[in-house]
Amino acid sequence: AIQLTQSPSSLSASVGDRVTITCRASQGMSSALDWYQQKPGKAPKLLIYDASSLETGVPSRFSGSGSGTDFTLTISSLQPEDFATYYCQQFNSYPHPTWTFGQGTKVEIK
Amino acid sequence: EEQLVESGGGLVQPGGSLRLSCAASGFTFGTYSMNWVRQAPGKGLEWVANIKEDGSERKYVDSVKGRFTCSRDNAKNSLYLQMNSLRADDTAVYYCARERAGDIYYYGMDVWGPGTTVFVSS
Repeated sequence: AIQLTQSPSSLSASVGDRVTITCRASQGMSSALDWYQQKPGKAPKLLIYDASSLETGVPSRFSGSGSGTDFTLTISSLQPEDFATYYCQQFNSYPHPTWTFGQGTKVEIK
Repeated sequence: EEQLVESGGGLVQPGGSLRLSCAASGFTFGTYSMNWVRQAPGKGLEWVANIKEDGSERKYVDSVKGRFTCSRDNAKNSLYLQMNSLRADDTAVYYCARERAGDIYYYGMDVWGPGTTVFVSS
């Protein structure tokens, strides 16, 4: 089964910083890679789907890129409401459907 | 407003059973595949189960195969997770989530419920 490894596992940043989170797949995959934001005690929220498509209503400071085994979530200018944990997630249909989440990246205030 | 609301969580002894429900509103429930995703205390997200729009196909993570059964009633706009032979490591918040996907595309889980907590302990 494909495994997703996020790096870093946590980071400290200041408001206004540019933040980049990486998600690496154990084997090449389709672009069905999504990014979610989760705040404490809340359900995850879809930010980016299909590796680079911004979900409706999500601020444009969030962007996604990548293909194959390496994917990136970038926050261009970190805002106070962006302090949260971020997860990548992939769907793979071959040889049989599987859904996998990365272990998460916690973004904390410096 | 498109909404999902889980219910049915609680405290159960190891080896016991619990049935979770997820009520959908604000969208045509029967046209979407649905997922259950769980999160153990202080841990990350783990996909648990998926069921196709018409219930014809169901997939499970290996750790729950043979113990959990996902089902749905499209007439009642409801999703269910029957959990048997529960273990301590099933303790988690369980979320239902709508999947936005078709035959040739997958666009993520775009609507989530607030979650229901399952605690397995003697």
